[in-house]
Amino acid sequence: AQSVTQLDSQVPVFEEAPVELRCNYSSSVSVYLFWYVQYPNQGLQLLLKYLSGSTLVESINGFEAEFNKSQTSFHLRKPSVHISDTAEYFCAVSGVNRDDKIIFGKGTRLHILP
Amino acid sequence: DVKVTQSSRYLVKRTGEKVFLECVQDMDHENMFWYRQDPGLGLRLIYFSYDVKMKEKGDIPEGYSVSREKKERFSLILESASTNQTSMYLCASSSLGEGAHEQYFGPGTRLTVT
Repeated sequence: AQSVTQLDSQVPVFEEAPVELRCNYSSSVSVYLFWYVQYPNQGLQLLLKYLSGSTLVESINGFEAEFNKSQTSFHLRKPSVHISDTAEYFCAVSGVNRDDKIIFGKGTRLHILP
Repeated sequence: DVKVTQSSRYLVKRTGEKVFLECVQDMDHENMFWYRQDPGLGLRLIYFSYDVKMKEKGDIPEGYSVSREKKERFSLILESASTNQTSMYLCASSSLGEGAHEQYFGPGTRLTVT
């Protein structure tokens, strides 16, 4: 069985500053990893995913995450945040078999300070 | 463009009422899911379905049932609503095969039971 831990429930950061949202997972089998974003009053949207290949994955809006197998981590980073990045971010893990369910972390709320 | 719609954004019901939450997807996805989202608890899986007329219990099925009579529609039923079912309910869908682990979410239904 997999589990995922998001170490911070809230992260305040000043606009244009860098940010890192931490995610650790546990699993005894190969995994897929995801970051979802939920903007205020909306559903979740996929931000980026790691399935295989390069351990560094990027989104279209400047976020990136790196799969670190030895540390069982998949931290999300952005070098310079904008007010529009205000949202809740969910890390998720699943096994690689078709029927494996996705397990979501409890979320990290990103507050952008002016 | 991928779309998952939910019948209501906001719903207020009385204790003991029977409540229907409807979800429709237009992507011909085989898999559909119902989650509830509560502050500090993240997303918890209530029920899911991998095919028409098929349903599986998730992590917190008590007090809920589901119906999937057509591929595109997945309904969540609260047989007798209680105040502890006040929550945000999110529907999601995903395809079979390679895309099975990427879920597409609806905007959510915020249910208040008084």
